[in-house]
Amino acid sequence: DQQVKQNSPSLSVQEGRISILNCDYTNSMFDYFLWYKKYPAEGPTFLISISSIKDKNEDGRFTVFLNKSAKHLSLHIVPSQPGDSAVYFCAAWAYNQGGKLIFGQGTELSVKP
Amino acid sequence: NAGVTQTPKFQVLKTGQSMTLQCAQDMNHEYMSWYRQDPGMGLRLIHYSVGAGITDQGEVPNGYNVSRSTTEDFPLRLLSAAPSQTSVYFCASSYSSWSSYEQYFGPGTRLTVT
Repeated sequence: DQQVKQNSPSLSVQEGRISILNCDYTNSMFDYFLWYKKYPAEGPTFLISISSIKDKNEDGRFTVFLNKSAKHLSLHIVPSQPGDSAVYFCAAWAYNQGGKLIFGQGTELSVKP
Repeated sequence: NAGVTQTPKFQVLKTGQSMTLQCAQDMNHEYMSWYRQDPGMGLRLIHYSVGAGITDQGEVPNGYNVSRSTTEDFPLRLLSAAPSQTSVYFCASSYSSWSSYEQYFGPGTRLTVT
């Protein structure tokens, strides 16, 4: 049973436009939601997080939105740059589940010049 | 700081062989974990540790053993390799289980089992 799902394996966007990556979850007990970014042949790196008590968190070009009633979160990148091309993993975390991170399948973003 | 280091970067094993994937961190982090990444599956937790001497199973622990004798090191042992264990393995660490939502990952080990 996949608790965190990213239904789009890939996304292609023109440079300068908005990229929107989506994620759905099933467990309403998660405390934090996160996005990790991964370049080929490297480990994932933490990008941005949002607490379950908030509905928006912004960091520069990156904004994460959380809709708890729909159990849905999204990552907006504005404006998109070619260096943003990577695989983006959505993840969820609950302290009372041993502090384990539960990852989605990932979405490969390609930003074309 | 070197951060999280993993060795080897690549490894090819025959079915039935055993090996240990090494992981070390120099950030004095309490929490360490092992994941495997497979196409279409994301990252799945194998084992984790909330401190030296304490380990627990993740989502896919079968066929793997871990131990945590020091804060710095968290090796992953494959007891008898199987083709289903062909994957990319990532080690990660975070300051504590309270903040384990933000983890620092190593560069990964690509393992092929023939």
